Amino acid sequence: EAGVVQSPRYKIIEKKQPVAFWCNPISGHNTLYWYLQNLGQGPELLIRYENEEAVDDSQLPKDRFSAERLKGVDSTLKIQPAELGDSAVYLCASSLGAVANTGELFFGEGSRLTVL
Amino acid sequence: GIQVEQSPPDLILQEGANSTLRCNFSDSVNNLQWFHQNPWGQLINLFYIPSGTKQNGRLSATTVATERYSLLYISSSQTTDSGVYFCAVGGENYGQNFVFGPGTRLSVLP
Repeated sequence: EAGVVQSPRYKIIEKKQPVAFWCNPISGHNTLYWYLQNLGQGPELLIRYENEEAVDDSQLPKDRFSAERLKGVDSTLKIQPAELGDSAVYLCASSLGAVANTGELFFGEGSRLTVL
Repeated sequence: GIQVEQSPPDLILQEGANSTLRCNFSDSVNNLQWFHQNPWGQLINLFYIPSGTKQNGRLSATTVATERYSLLYISSSQTTDSGVYFCAVGGENYGQNFVFGPGTRLSVLP
């Protein structure tokens, strides 16, 4: 069974440019998460989807970040325009159910963004 | 506020040594996982352990939910165990999300 797939693995852009990350969760997993991981820190939640609905986007900086999960399967996270402080690893994770139930998390390999 | 603490922050071991990593959390949980982040950044599931004890080879974990802590034991450590170990807790008291601790950075020397 395929795991969580993310692309691109690495992206280098200049500030003010747009960037997009793609995630395909494990087949059948209804819940999808995007996390941000800064160097030397633990992952921090950006947005959580239950099927196609964004049920928690309270930590997503909506002035420049957007996300979508059309048809409740794969998802895209976009940053426009990127700032120097956005340099980090963007992690996608999925789980079969909600955290309180069968919510075991599985992560993709991450997308490492460098903004110059 | 919600707090997830891990100790020690850094740990250096000689190959073959044993170690115990601790995760304390501030509120009751429905879910707790331990992850290993390898040097290439991949987060690998070690244990899904909201309560009780589990073992997988040289690794074992215990969660005492009533006392709000979990322990990860690594025995006969190997250089491939190096990396950062995170605990993540989740449930209704955490907004139905997972909250990660700051991690324990483990270095196993040959």
